[in-house]
Amino acid sequence: EVQLEESGGGLVQPGGSLRLSCAASGFIFSTYWMHWVRQAPGKGLVWVARINSDGSSTNYADSVKGRFTISRDNAKNTLYLQMNSLRAEDTAVYYCARRGYDSSGYGPAAFDIWGQGTMVTVSS
Amino acid sequence: QSVLTQPPSASGTPGQRVTISCSGSSSNIGSNTVNWYQQLPGTAPKLLIYSNNQRPSGVPDRFSGSRSGTSASLAISGLQSEDEADYYCAAWDDSLNGPVFGGGTKLTVL
Repeated sequence: EVQLEESGGGLVQPGGSLRLSCAASGFIFSTYWMHWVRQAPGKGLVWVARINSDGSSTNYADSVKGRFTISRDNAKNTLYLQMNSLRAEDTAVYYCARRGYDSSGYGPAAFDIWGQGTMVTVSS
Repeated sequence: QSVLTQPPSASGTPGQRVTISCSGSSSNIGSNTVNWYQQLPGTAPKLLIYSNNQRPSGVPDRFSGSRSGTSASLAISGLQSEDEADYYCAAWDDSLNGPVFGGGTKLTVL
């Protein structure tokens, strides 16, 4: 079964750090671009970051640039999000998502597999 | 404030056809394909429509999408109670160099 499973969320104080992980299974992880998307409580979806298949290229939303780092370990089939200098407004459920293959007609904002999400709460 | 604009709510009775609109600009919907996601209460989003009008396997043909200029729409025919969910449109934005989402539309089946 194709699956993504996030972990690493929790309660952290403002200014603190947290590392999220996303374990992939059931597909060839190393061939897919991967993204992080977050959703604040009661709010909509917001894109956070993306990484290409071999980890050599990354992009970030302006709101997290310089504070968050997306990375991957293809040998471990795992995606990461290192979050530093956390703020109250970073409080959200964080989802990892797989972008479908371009060759299959999936555009750059077509995320065909999502994890169940992990909650991050930034509060003192 | 989301880059793509959706109505906050929509409703219909079982069996009806409802449409949800998504308005953008030349840097997103006007030049890139549109995708739609369904988020059932308490669950992760699920891809419903990709590349403007394509359905992933397993998505009923009651769901259809279209794009015209800088706007897109999602249509749901033969509305069912299990369609009650939040629906989000999304597209790549060339100016922001990232995907952008609509604010979401809460669909209520009366």
